[in-house]
Amino acid sequence: ETGVTQTPRHLVMGMTNKKSLKCEQHLGHNAMYWYKQSAKKPLELMFVYSLEERVENNSVPSRFSPECPNSSHLFLHLHTLQPEDSALYLCASRLARNTDTQYFGPGTRLTVL
Amino acid sequence: SQQGEEDPQALSIQEGENATMNCSYKTSINNLQWYRQNSGRGLVHLILIRSNEREKHSGRLRVTLDTSKKSSSLLITASRAADTASYFCATDDATGGFKTIFGAGTRLFVKA
Repeated sequence: ETGVTQTPRHLVMGMTNKKSLKCEQHLGHNAMYWYKQSAKKPLELMFVYSLEERVENNSVPSRFSPECPNSSHLFLHLHTLQPEDSALYLCASRLARNTDTQYFGPGTRLTVL
Repeated sequence: SQQGEEDPQALSIQEGENATMNCSYKTSINNLQWYRQNSGRGLVHLILIRSNEREKHSGRLRVTLDTSKKSSSLLITASRAADTASYFCATDDATGGFKTIFGAGTRLFVKA
């Protein structure tokens, strides 16, 4: 256990559905990350929040909408996704900018039909 | 090629043998990290080496960093079947931002 939890662990949705992924950490970290991991591709950074402020937005389509209501919680709201969005979505947190390792959640396996 | 590119892409060895994985990167970095991922799970941090360090050990792991060649290696000694996983290097660049760039990983298979 890394101290970062993600729910749900598996999600199947149609292209017209709206769903949300949740990430939670109680490690006292100030930065939280969303990554996308597709088969045979490097981890793709999607969003970074530091102290609830978005500091990185890596050209992610608007059908992915992040939300960080406090430093312990991070959401990824999904709507009108495409089949190519099927992937493992990983959340991570770190104590501070560029100074420490990242702690990853177990991921949400998303399948878009 | 991408920042944090691992070599080889896949490696198959017998239990008890050593496994060496290499990583190359392009920009100046603050640190380089190695992570492990079991199939379909989250990544687990193994070791972090800072740009002013050349070698670091943790149990059966040995990491080296050569900033002049922009490369790092991860050595796992006396491998076990339980070491079967994907291994990723990741770099934090020297600009002080939040981005960490991951490579595509090396898939290690240790045969019992």
